[in-house]
Amino acid sequence: DSGVTQTPKHLITATGQRVTLRCSPRSGDLSVYWYQQSLDQGLQFLIQYYNGEERAKGNILERFSAQQFPDLHSELNLSSLELGDSALYFCASSVVAGGPSGELFFGEGSRLTVL
Amino acid sequence: DAKTTQPNSMESNEEEPVHLPCNHSTISGTDYIHWYRQLPSQGPEYVIHGLTSNVNNRMASLAIAEDRKSSTLILHRATLRDAAVYYCILKRNYGGSQGNLIFGKGTKLSVKP
Repeated sequence: DSGVTQTPKHLITATGQRVTLRCSPRSGDLSVYWYQQSLDQGLQFLIQYYNGEERAKGNILERFSAQQFPDLHSELNLSSLELGDSALYFCASSVVAGGPSGELFFGEGSRLTVL
Repeated sequence: DAKTTQPNSMESNEEEPVHLPCNHSTISGTDYIHWYRQLPSQGPEYVIHGLTSNVNNRMASLAIAEDRKSSTLILHRATLRDAAVYYCILKRNYGGSQGNLIFGKGTKLSVKP
């Protein structure tokens, strides 16, 4: 158990809909990261927040948005869903904002299926 | 970010050592070498990391070439539970502002009983 909690574990929805994925980081971790894993693209970095502020942006679509709240939990909002958005979405957390030696702790993921 | 090259897949026998190679010929002086693994249906988990010297922890050992252009993750006695995708990642120092990892395709390790 990494200490990172993601909900829901599974989600099935239809094209055009909007969903919210939630992540609670490990106690004391200030950074939250979101990743998308699909069969053909592998693990893709989406976005990082540190103490409520966006710190790094990866391959995140404009239809997707995220935020980190004062209690440090984070939400990833996916809108106008398409079939290709079906994937596993992982949240990770770390104590620090960056630095080359910090370890990331990953949750078990939220599996999104868009029909 | 500097790129890493790993074999797509490797096989090992249970209770034998496994050496997982990684090439990173464009590594810069401040890049750390990180290894993560992802077991089936789970999120990635940290294995080990190093900068220049060889490193050991309870999970594995990391051997880093003297020129740092390659490294090897060593699992001393593979178990069935070690079957996973192993990712070798270079983590650059962005001055403390970014900590994200950029994953490649990794090496899928199969362990035979």
